[in-house]
Amino acid sequence: EPEVTQTPSHQVTQMGQEVILRCVPISNHLYFYWYRQILGQKVEFLVSFYNNEISEKSEIFDDQFSVERPDGSNFTLKIRSTKLEDSAMYFCASSVGADTQYFGPGTRLTVL
Amino acid sequence: SQKIEQNSEALNIQEGKTATLTCNYTNYSPAYLQWYRQDPGRGPVFLLLIRENEKEKRKERLKVTFDTTLKQSLFHITASQPADSATYLCALDRYNQGGKLIFGQGTELSVKP
Repeated sequence: EPEVTQTPSHQVTQMGQEVILRCVPISNHLYFYWYRQILGQKVEFLVSFYNNEISEKSEIFDDQFSVERPDGSNFTLKIRSTKLEDSAMYFCASSVGADTQYFGPGTRLTVL
Repeated sequence: SQKIEQNSEALNIQEGKTATLTCNYTNYSPAYLQWYRQDPGRGPVFLLLIRENEKEKRKERLKVTFDTTLKQSLFHITASQPADSATYLCALDRYNQGGKLIFGQGTELSVKP
């Protein structure tokens, strides 16, 4: 069964550094998403992406964040200058239509 | 503001019994309500979706109800097994919001043999 994959599984970075989290969505899916989950808290929506542009973004998704679909398979989330409070699990998800979403295993980001 | 609440306390039940989890929401008119399972350190796994015009949906041992008047969904697992132990998340979505899901905090279910 096709799955969403994410790399790396764990990323450790210094505060102020840039990180890029990578995702390979399910191949026939058209909608792509990033969510994050701070330890012990709810899963929070960051951004959705369709037809090569952002469809919706949350207040969390400020100018420090950007997303890109650089080719036909990858979907990336970039954080330009990481802060301590960016430490979280970041989940990529994809869907055929804007309904049932399939999540990847996540990237655990630790900012020191 | 929009609020989604799930049973805050963990639910402990005996194997073979039916587990019932609750999701209540306020200040929101969802088009869909979805239930996901999440194991520790893993991503949410989709279980069931129910639309605003549907009252009930079933899939194997799972059943979801959706009452838009009460603003509540109930999620049932019948003949529960220890392997069903996990955190269960409800998530709401509206039309024309780019698929943005708003999640509840989850209910931890523990099924004892």
